[in-house]
Amino acid sequence: GAGVSQTPSNKVTEKGKYVELRCDPISGHTALYWYRQSLGQGPEFLIYFQGTGAADDSGLPNDRFFAVRPEGSVSTLKIQRTERGDSAVYLCASSSQGSLTEAFFGQGTRLTVV
Amino acid sequence: SQQGEEDPQALSIQEGENATMNCSYKTSINNLQWYRQNSGRGLVHLILIRSNEREKHSGRLRVTLDTSKKSSSLLITASRAADTASYFCATVSGSARQLTFGSGTQLTVLP
Repeated sequence: GAGVSQTPSNKVTEKGKYVELRCDPISGHTALYWYRQSLGQGPEFLIYFQGTGAADDSGLPNDRFFAVRPEGSVSTLKIQRTERGDSAVYLCASSSQGSLTEAFFGQGTRLTVV
Repeated sequence: SQQGEEDPQALSIQEGENATMNCSYKTSINNLQWYRQNSGRGLVHLILIRSNEREKHSGRLRVTLDTSKKSSSLLITASRAADTASYFCATVSGSARQLTFGSGTQLTVLP
């Protein structure tokens, strides 16, 4: 596609439920990032994929968070047993050469845990 | 954790004026990037400056980098109401593979 696509754009879920957030990167981009952004704050790094593997998952806050990219393209961020503190905008970005070049961001998924 | 800190946190100017935003960071970097964000959603890349560069221009944007002071500035000349947005600096440090963002400057350009 022309840009990074994230679905859904909004997600409301009940505390304790499981959610999946999807990211379709720009075709051919090998690097893919997930970030989380709370109101009034800058994006906070979660995980970075180079191809199919997670090259850096140091930003995942705890083991309730997991992300996959099985074929080196689409990625899914999975959150188990959601908590109200997980409410945020989840941003996905892709780039052609990792952090050496510009990253292209999707419009994000606004997750609200009630 | 956030490596960069933007200053000021908020800036309000009149259309036609120049806007300057500053970014300070803590560790040595490979490159520093500036992004713009409208309405809290997707970020748009503005400009990338490498650690061996001191100044870079792109249209109405001018970015400087002082690695000795671990700081960068973004200048927007002849601002327009459409420039109203949040501006973030992001650094890439050492062997790190991710962009680390600051907390941003909210710019408001009044018509």
